Amino acid sequence: AQKVTQAQTEISVVEKEDVTLDCVYETRDTTYYLFWYKQPPSGELVFLIRRNSFDEQNEISGRYSWNFQKSTSSFNFTITASQVVDSAVYFCALSEDNNNDMRFGAGTRLTVKP
Amino acid sequence: GAGVSQSPRYKVAKRGQDVALRCDPISGHVSLFWYQQALGQGPEFLTYFQNEAQLDKSGLPSDRFFAERPEGSVSTLKIQRTQQEDSAVYLCASSSSGQWASIYGYTFGSGTRLTVV
Repeated sequence: AQKVTQAQTEISVVEKEDVTLDCVYETRDTTYYLFWYKQPPSGELVFLIRRNSFDEQNEISGRYSWNFQKSTSSFNFTITASQVVDSAVYFCALSEDNNNDMRFGAGTRLTVKP
Repeated sequence: GAGVSQSPRYKVAKRGQDVALRCDPISGHVSLFWYQQALGQGPEFLTYFQNEAQLDKSGLPSDRFFAERPEGSVSTLKIQRTQQEDSAVYLCASSSSGQWASIYGYTFGSGTRLTVV
C-alpha cells in the first residue's frame, strides 16, 4: 500500500534562511508519481511540482528545488532564502499508476519569521 | 469558471442534521475528486467522478456519505445524520485528465469547513 511520511510537523525559520522539508514514501509499484502542494491560510492546495518515478533529475524553480532519491525513497523540498510569504503548510503526495487515490502526508507547517 | 469553487465556505451543523456541500469544478474538467482533511492532517481521498460516473467511492467512510454529479459538472457531497467525527474540511478538486487523473495532479478548491456541534 502507498504511504507518505512527513516527519517534520512544524518548522520555524528566520527570513532568508534556507529550509528543507523532508518526504519519505512507500510504494510497491515501479511506476508512481510524486507531488508537492502548498496550503496557505486561505485553504486551497496549490500545486508546486510533479515528478514520475523514472525521472530522478533534481529540479530547480526559482528559490524552490527538489531532490528525488529512489534509493532512499525520498522526495525532499528545499526553499532557498525563505520569505515570509512562504509560510504555509506543505504536503507531499504520492499517486500510483492505475489508481484514483492520491495519498498525502500529514504536512509540514512552515513559519518564516521576519 | 477560473478555479474550483466550493460552497458554503463554512458550515456548522447540529449532530444528526443532514448537510450538502457543493463543488463547481473548472469548466470542462472531466475528473472530479472529493477529499476530507481533518485538523492537522493531510487530505484523504473520498470519491472520484469521471463526468457523471462515480468510478471510485472506496474512501467514503460510511453509508451516511453520498456524492453525486448528475450532469457531469457540479457535484454535491451529502452527509446524513452528521456526527462530531465528520468535522473536517472537505476539499473538491478537478482535472482535465480522464482516467487515472490522479497521476497528473489536480486543481483544488478552498474547501468547506464543516463543524458538527
